[in-house]
Parts: sequence; structure tokens; C-alpha cells
Amino acid sequence: AQTVTQSQPEMSVQEAETVTLSCTYDTSENNYYLFWYKQPPSRQMILVIRQEAYKQQNATENRFSVNFQKAAKSFSLKISDSQLGDTAMYFCAFKSGATNKLIFGTGTLLAVQP
Amino acid sequence: DAMVIQNPRYQVTQFGKPVTLSCSQTLNHNVMYWYQQKSSQAPKLLFHYYDKDFNNEADTPDNFQSRRPNTSFCFLDIRSPGLGDAAMYLCATSRDRTSEGEQFFGPGTRLTVL
Repeated sequence: AQTVTQSQPEMSVQEAETVTLSCTYDTSENNYYLFWYKQPPSRQMILVIRQEAYKQQNATENRFSVNFQKAAKSFSLKISDSQLGDTAMYFCAFKSGATNKLIFGTGTLLAVQP
Repeated sequence: DAMVIQNPRYQVTQFGKPVTLSCSQTLNHNVMYWYQQKSSQAPKLLFHYYDKDFNNEADTPDNFQSRRPNTSFCFLDIRSPGLGDAAMYLCATSRDRTSEGEQFFGPGTRLTVL
């Protein structure tokens, strides 16, 4: 069974600084997708960034980028130039190529300090 | 704006009193999902509908049922809520069941059981 592990329950970063959130996963599959979702306080979860396992190039979306290490089964999220609006719970998620089921990690609560 | 709407945002019920949570979507997506998210935990998939085809997760208790009368609406029925059912319930949609498909989440309904 696939599992997703986020080892940092909470993190804090100063505004304008860079922070990296860690995520590891376990699967025996070769075809899968990885996601980072953001859940702000009392607001809905939104997709931050997505990575296809067959792509070697790391995905980037504006200030958000990932470091995808397929052999190590690692998928970290880097947030550059952190903003107060980045304060949220961040979930790493895995989706098998064979199913449409999202498997979430336990989340990392990120606080951006002014 | 196309979106996923959940009503109510906060629901209080009594132990054993049936409760229904509502989700609607304007995205015209084929798939609708219900997740349970307990405090400080990852969202856990309860079931999903692909069009009218209902797919239950193996570990979803019988106490939880769902209805999808049309493309736009999906309901979560909890027949006899227990204290352990207090949680945030998230509705999500996706256009189809392909693995790379993004899921769009509603804001959630926070259920309190007294």
C-alpha cells in the first residue's frame, strides 16, 4: 500500500525568506502523480503544484517549486519569497497511475512571520 | 466563478440524530468525492461517485451513506452520528478519473456531535 510521510508537523519562516517542506512516499509503482495542496485557515484546499513521475524536470509554479527525487521517493516543496498569505496547512499527496485515489500525508502547518 | 459549494459550513447534531451534508458544483465534473478530515489529520476518502456509479472505500463505516441525484449535487448522510464522527467533511470534484486529474475542493462542513 502506498504511504505518504510529512515529517515536519509545524514550520515557521520569516516573510520574504525561503522555506522547504519535506515529503517522502512509498510505492512500488512506476507511474504516479504527486501533488502539494494548501489549506489556509478556514478556507478550502487548493492545488499548489503537481508533478508527474515520468517527468524528470521539477515542476515550478511562480514562487513554488519542487525537488522530485524519484529514486529516493522524495518530493519536497520550496516556497521562495514567503508571503503572509502562504500561512496554511500544506498537504503532500500521492495518486497512483492505476486509480484516482488521493493519499494524503498528515500535513505541515506553515506559519509565515512578519 | 465555477466552484464547489458545501452547506452548511458548520453543523451541530446530537448523538444518534441523522444528519445530511450537502455539496454542489458548477464545474460540471463527472466525479464527486467525500473526505473525512479529523483534527490535525490527513483527509481520508470515504467514497466517490463517477457519474452515477458509487464507489465505497473498504473501511468506510456503514453509518455513512451518499446520494447523487444529479451531476451537480451530492449528499453525505450520517445515519447515527457518534462522537467519533465529529470532523471536517470535505467534498471534492474532478473532471474524470484519470490519475493526473486535479481535484477541486469545497470549503468543508465542520460537524460537531453533542
